[in-house]
Amino acid sequence: AQTVTQSQPEMSVQEAETVTLSCTYDTSESDYYLFWYKQPPSRQMILVIRQEAYKQQNATENRFSVNFQKAAKSFSLKISDSQLGDAAMYFCAYRSFLNFGNEKLTFGTGTRLTIIP
Amino acid sequence: GAGVSQSPRYKVAKRGQDVALRCDPISGHVSLFWYQQALGQGPEFLTYFQNEAQLDKSGLPSDRFFAERPEGSVSTLKIQRTQQEDSAVYLCASRGTGKTGELFFGEGSRLTVL
Repeated sequence: AQTVTQSQPEMSVQEAETVTLSCTYDTSESDYYLFWYKQPPSRQMILVIRQEAYKQQNATENRFSVNFQKAAKSFSLKISDSQLGDAAMYFCAYRSFLNFGNEKLTFGTGTRLTIIP
Repeated sequence: GAGVSQSPRYKVAKRGQDVALRCDPISGHVSLFWYQQALGQGPEFLTYFQNEAQLDKSGLPSDRFFAERPEGSVSTLKIQRTQQEDSAVYLCASRGTGKTGELFFGEGSRLTVL
């Protein structure tokens, strides 16, 4: 079974600065997807960024980028130019490539990000 | 609808009561998922539907949990004889067709069992 570990329960960053959230995972599969989701107080999970394991290039979405290290099974999220609206819980998640159609996600325990004005 | 809608947003039940949680997925979305999120934890998979077929129910914690989607749209998660450990946020998500289709989550139903 796959596991996802987020070792930082809480992080804080000054507004406009850069912060990196860590995630490691364990799997015996060679093909899979990795995700970062944001969960604000409204509880709705919002997809931030997605990475396919077979792609060597790190995914980027505007101010959000990942550092994907497949051999190390590491998948960190970098948020540049942090904004007050970025404050939320952030969850790292794994999905097997084999289960096409069944988007069963395995989530980490989350990192609470606070933005300091 | 515009997004995934869940009701009720909050439910308080006495231990032993039955509860039903409703999920209205995005119109036309074939796949529907239920997750359970305990306080301070990440969501955990409960069950998955493709249209009206329940293809995976491996995450349901006990036979007190039952989910259905009879017409392939609205889904109901039912918990019988609720216990305190059932207290959690229950998240519903739906997905359209396409290989990399994004999962869209609702705002969840927070269940508190007293």
